[in-house]
Amino acid sequence: SQKIEQNSEALNIQEGKTATLTCNYTNYSPAYLQWYRQDPGRGPVFLLLIRENEKEKRKERLKVTFDTTLKQSLFHITASQPADSATYLCALDRGNQFYFGTGTSLTVIP
Amino acid sequence: ETGVTQTPRHLVMGMTNKKSLKCEQHLGHNAMYWYKQSAKKPLELMFVYSLEERVENNSVPSRFSPECPNSSHLFLHLHTLQPEDSALYLCASSRTYQQGYSGNTIYFGEGSWLTVV
Repeated sequence: SQKIEQNSEALNIQEGKTATLTCNYTNYSPAYLQWYRQDPGRGPVFLLLIRENEKEKRKERLKVTFDTTLKQSLFHITASQPADSATYLCALDRGNQFYFGTGTSLTVIP
Repeated sequence: ETGVTQTPRHLVMGMTNKKSLKCEQHLGHNAMYWYKQSAKKPLELMFVYSLEERVENNSVPSRFSPECPNSSHLFLHLHTLQPEDSALYLCASSRTYQQGYSGNTIYFGEGSWLTVV
């Protein structure tokens, strides 16, 4: 079965630095890979989607890369702010079969 | 404002009780989902409805019973639950649900925190 690993359960970084979160998967490559943000006690919110034939996608301070050879996606937040503190989930999308990771909890320290 | 509204936000129930979780989506989507989120575990897909028809039931115990009266509303009926069923239950919707179709964005509600005592 599909397995998703988000390295480091928790990540602490200093404000202004770039946060890099990792999502590794096994078995089949997804057609799409998505990233969601989840605040405590709230539902996940969609951030970015990247297709298997795309290497990189950007949205404001967010950047996602997708390497199907390494079976890995990296999620970057540049110029991080305390408001970016949340749990970030990656999700593999294989034709409406969504497989979610357990998430990485990011804390941006002022 | 997510477009998907869940009630109640918090629910405490005994193991012999019967209760229901309610979800409503205001996005005009055709697919609705129930997910379970437990601490340290990935989101678990429980049920999927597409155009009011159940299209997936991922080996969920019968003490959880979904109902989708129309494409905007989804219920999860709960009865004789166990303490290990305590979790955050998330309702979600997407524009469509089709086998082989990718690229759907899932819109989640705020969730219903369930505690079984």
